[in-house]
Amino acid sequence: DIQMTQSPSSLSASVGDRVTITCRASQSISTSLNWYQQKPGKAPKLLIYAASSLQSGVPSRFSGSGSGTDFTLTISSLQPEDFATYYCQQTYSTPRSFGQGTKLEIK
Amino acid sequence: EVQLVQSGAEVKKPGESLKISCKGSGYTFTSYWIGWVRQMPGKGLEWMGIIYPGDSDTRYSPSFQGQVTISADNSISTAYLQWSSLKASDSAMYYCAREYAAGSFDIWGQGTMVTVSS
Repeated sequence: DIQMTQSPSSLSASVGDRVTITCRASQSISTSLNWYQQKPGKAPKLLIYAASSLQSGVPSRFSGSGSGTDFTLTISSLQPEDFATYYCQQTYSTPRSFGQGTKLEIK
Repeated sequence: EVQLVQSGAEVKKPGESLKISCKGSGYTFTSYWIGWVRQMPGKGLEWMGIIYPGDSDTRYSPSFQGQVTISADNSISTAYLQWSSLKASDSAMYYCAREYAAGSFDIWGQGTMVTVSS
């Protein structure tokens, strides 16, 4: 099974900051990497698929990059509604494992 | 509108059986994989397995193989997740989701909370 490791596990930032979250796969997964946002009590929401494709309706301040084993999610200018937990997921092989999550909190 | 609507919260005793559902609408149910994801209280997302309703092809995570059964009834556009004998450790929120581009989950159900307690 492919293991996904996110860093950091938690992060404090301010509105307007540029934030980067990293996800590393235990083996190469090409660009088979997705990013989700989850707010408390809600289902996850797809932000980025195939490493860098922005899901329809997602603000352009979100972007993804990477290939192989190392990936990043960047939020260019944090907005109040962006404080949430973020998960990466590999879809290179089954089981399609998730990272452990990164909780983004207000500083 | 494309949506997945899950069945309501359940409270069960250890050893009981359970089947929760996920009804798709607004799209061709048989043309997309449906997956199940577990989230234990205060924890992260765990991929359990997926089913392709078109031919019932099903894949399980080794962590859940033999512990749950995933199925679908195309006549009512509904996927299921079932347990034959629940344990307290099965207490969690369970989400269904539609698999989209590059295996991503683009549409999610609202979640079904399962509580197993004596």
